[in-house]
Amino acid sequence: SYELTQPPSVSVSPGQTARITCSGDALPRKYAYWYQQKSGQAPVLVIYEDKKRPSEIPEKFSGSSSGTMATLTISGAQVEDEADYFCYSTDSSGNQGVFGGGTRLTVL
Amino acid sequence: EVQLVQSGAEVKKPGESLKISCKGSEKTFTSYWIGWVRQMSGKGLECMGIIHSGDSETRYSPSFQGQVTISLDKSITTAYLQWTSLKASDTAIYYCVRGRPISGSYSHYFDFWGQGTLVTVSS
Repeated sequence: SYELTQPPSVSVSPGQTARITCSGDALPRKYAYWYQQKSGQAPVLVIYEDKKRPSEIPEKFSGSSSGTMATLTISGAQVEDEADYFCYSTDSSGNQGVFGGGTRLTVL
Repeated sequence: EVQLVQSGAEVKKPGESLKISCKGSEKTFTSYWIGWVRQMSGKGLECMGIIHSGDSETRYSPSFQGQVTISLDKSITTAYLQWTSLKASDTAIYYCVRGRPISGSYSHYFDFWGQGTLVTVSS
C-alpha cells in the first residue's frame, strides 16, 4: 500500500522557520494537503492543493511541492504552533487517500 | 457556519454493537461528502470511508470494507458510523469530516472536522 513519510519530530526556537517534509512516490503527480492537530483537538486543514491556504489560516503557514517531496513551512514559529502535523495525499491511481505518520513540532 | 457535531464518548464490551452520529449544519451537509477518519491512541489518521449527502453513494477504504457501515439520514442532516460486533482493536477516536473531491481523482480531502468521538471497547 502507498505510504507518505514524515520525520517523527522537528524542533525550532521561537521566531525561527520550521520546515516539515513529506515524501511519497506519487507526489510529483498528486496534490499534498497539510493538517495541524493540537493536543486534545481535532485536526485543522492548513494547506490544500500543495500551496493554497484556507482563508482563516495565518500567512505564516505556506506549502510547496517539488518532485517526490512536499514541504510545510511555518515562518516565525511560536509556542502556539506546537502540534502534530500530518500530510495527506492520494496514491498514483487516485483511488485511495493516505495520511503521513505525522510530525511533532516543538517550539522551545 | 460549517458545523459537524458528533455524539458523545462510548464504552462498550467486545461483541456489542454501536452506532455513532455526526450532525451537520445545512451548509455543511447539503451536496457534500461526509466521511469518517480513525485515530488510534497516539497514532496517525486513517480514512475509513465516505458517503455523499445527495445520493448516498458510499465508498470504503479497503481496510474498513465489511468492518463498518456508513449511512446518513438526510432529513436530519446526520451521518452515522456503525459496528455490529466491536473488538478491542476498535478502541479509537473517530472523527467525522466534510470531504471535498480531489480533481482528477476518486478520493477526497477533508476541509472541516467534527470534534471526535472516543470509543472504548473493553471487557
